Amino acid sequence: TQLLEQSPQFLSIQEGENLTVYCNSSSVFSSLQWYRQEPGEGPVLLVTVVTGGEVKKLKRLTFQFGDARKDSSLHITAAQPGDTGLYLCAGLTDSWGKLQFGAGTQVVVTP
Amino acid sequence: DTAVSQTPKYLVTQMGNDKSIKCEQNLGHDTMYWYKQDSKKFLKIMFSYNNKELIINETVPNRFSPKSPDKAHLNLHINSLELGDSAVYFCASSQLTQRNYGYTFGSGTRLTVV
Repeated sequence: TQLLEQSPQFLSIQEGENLTVYCNSSSVFSSLQWYRQEPGEGPVLLVTVVTGGEVKKLKRLTFQFGDARKDSSLHITAAQPGDTGLYLCAGLTDSWGKLQFGAGTQVVVTP
Repeated sequence: DTAVSQTPKYLVTQMGNDKSIKCEQNLGHDTMYWYKQDSKKFLKIMFSYNNKELIINETVPNRFSPKSPDKAHLNLHINSLELGDSAVYFCASSQLTQRNYGYTFGSGTRLTVV
């Protein structure tokens, strides 16, 4: 049983459209992190959210941490082909830095 | 360049062989990790070392043995390789007291056991 459930598993959209990826859990996290992974590479950190209700923006990407610190969402506005990748959410559960990852959402943005 | 570097990038080997993967970070981080990514892209933690001391040891076959000679290096040795060990193995590092700043990952080692 995975600690973090991501949805959808796969998302294919046209350039210029908006999309939202969800990350849900029944566990409380001290922080939640979002990564993007491209083929043949390791995940790259996009953002960390720490406070319940927190909203962070990174250009066209908006990240939200749920009030209860159990869930998060990633919204991309006006998606571009460069946004294509595997988006992973990861929750920090303990003081030893152990990150638990969701199964990922593959996003494909076509021109 | 500051980074986490792993070698080799690709490893193809026969069942029953023993192999090692090496990882080095020059970020000055005090904690390093090994993760396994399966064919469905799910990342699962295997081990973690903080200042050369093992702090996370998940349920992993004892054929897998990590070793950290110093806080900048973390190696993974695998004995008697099995078909099911085929996966991409990622090394990562972080500063434990600043763990909310996230991990830095290496580019992975794709292990194929034939």
